Amino acid sequence: EAGVAQSPRYKIIEKRQSVAFWCNPISGHATLYWYQQILGQGPKLLIQFQNNGVVDDSQLPKDRFSAERLKGVDSTLKIQPAKLEDSAVYLCASSPATNQPQHFGDGTRLSIL
Amino acid sequence: QKEVEQNSGPLSVPEGAIASLNCTYSDRGSQSFFWYRQYSGKSPELIMFIYSNGDKEDGRFTAQLNKASQYVSLLIRDSQPSDSATYLCAVNKNSGNTPLVFGKGTRLSVIA
Repeated sequence: EAGVAQSPRYKIIEKRQSVAFWCNPISGHATLYWYQQILGQGPKLLIQFQNNGVVDDSQLPKDRFSAERLKGVDSTLKIQPAKLEDSAVYLCASSPATNQPQHFGDGTRLSIL
Repeated sequence: QKEVEQNSGPLSVPEGAIASLNCTYSDRGSQSFFWYRQYSGKSPELIMFIYSNGDKEDGRFTAQLNKASQYVSLLIRDSQPSDSATYLCAVNKNSGNTPLVFGKGTRLSVIA
């Protein structure tokens, strides 16, 4: 079974620029999550999708972050404009349904200069 | 009070010993409990999940849950240097669509 795919693996941008991350979940997984993990911290949920609908985006900084999962499969997370404090690893995870064990992709390490 | 608390460590144990990792949580409504292992520079990898009070064993790993004490632990028997990693505890309510809440993780070092 193929795992969660994410790209790019690394991204370096300057502050105020924009960036986008892509995630393809495990086939058949209805629930998709985006997390932000700052060094030394546990992952923090940014947004959760159930199929193509948003279930929870309470911790997403909506003035600069956006995410979509238009066809209920792939998802993109965008940051515009980026701030220095956005430097982190952005993890995508998926699960067959809500509250079931989640499986993570390799993540995208974002550095803001 | 933080929702999910773990001792950040490092916890150092000799090879072959039992490593005991602990996690407490604040929400009494929590129903699902997960342990993830995260190697440096890698993404979290699911090791165990437990829903009911008591012990759940899988190979060298045992998860223990005590809902009355709001406490979940992970025991690693016959610890190996390859077990050296950060172990993340994660908790959710298992009702509605509540998010999974992670602790900061405990760094385990197994000394050969």
